[in-house]
Amino acid sequence: EIVLTQSPGTLSLSPGERATLSCRASQSVSSSYLAWYQQKPGQAPRLLIYGASSRATGIPDRFSGSGSGTDFTLTISRLEPEDFAVYYCQQYGSSPLTFGGGTKVEIQ
Amino acid sequence: QVQLAQSGAEVKKPGASVKVSCKASGYTFTSYGISWVRQAPGQGLEWMGWISPYNGNTNYAQKLQGRVTMTTDTSTSTAYMELRSLRSDDTAVYYCARGGAVAGTSDYWGQGTLVTVSS
Repeated sequence: EIVLTQSPGTLSLSPGERATLSCRASQSVSSSYLAWYQQKPGQAPRLLIYGASSRATGIPDRFSGSGSGTDFTLTISRLEPEDFAVYYCQQYGSSPLTFGGGTKVEIQ
Repeated sequence: QVQLAQSGAEVKKPGASVKVSCKASGYTFTSYGISWVRQAPGQGLEWMGWISPYNGNTNYAQKLQGRVTMTTDTSTSTAYMELRSLRSDDTAVYYCARGGAVAGTSDYWGQGTLVTVSS
């Protein structure tokens, strides 16, 4: 089973700032099958990025993903008020699919 | 538009079973798998497994093998997840999602169903 470790656990930033979230895998993720999800309180997760760097339908271009192998990054170029949430990475290259523990982006 | 509508909240006693439904609309049901993900209160996401409505193939998380069964009814475009021998640590919000198998992301999600296990 691939273990995903996200860091930091919490990121305290102000609107307009840049957010950089990390996801490290215990072994190489097959074919860069790495996704990022956003979750707000009381809501279902929302797909942001798939294939490590492809934005899902309707996702603003301030969200970008990068990385390969075992190290992946989600970048939010300029935080908007609606971006404060918890972010999860997920690998879907091998079974069982696994999620990271999440990074909470909170308003400073 | 794609929608996944889940059944309502459930309260169960330890040892009982629960069956959660997920009715799909807005796309061809048999063209995409359905996965189930759960989230314990204040915790992260846990993938439970996946089913293909096309041929009924399933892939369950090993820790749930023997307690979980996923099925579909193609006549009503509905997926089901049954969990047996419930324990207190099964208390969680259960989500269905379109996709979510190896090589496929979960692009649309249901609203979630809270299952509470308590004596």
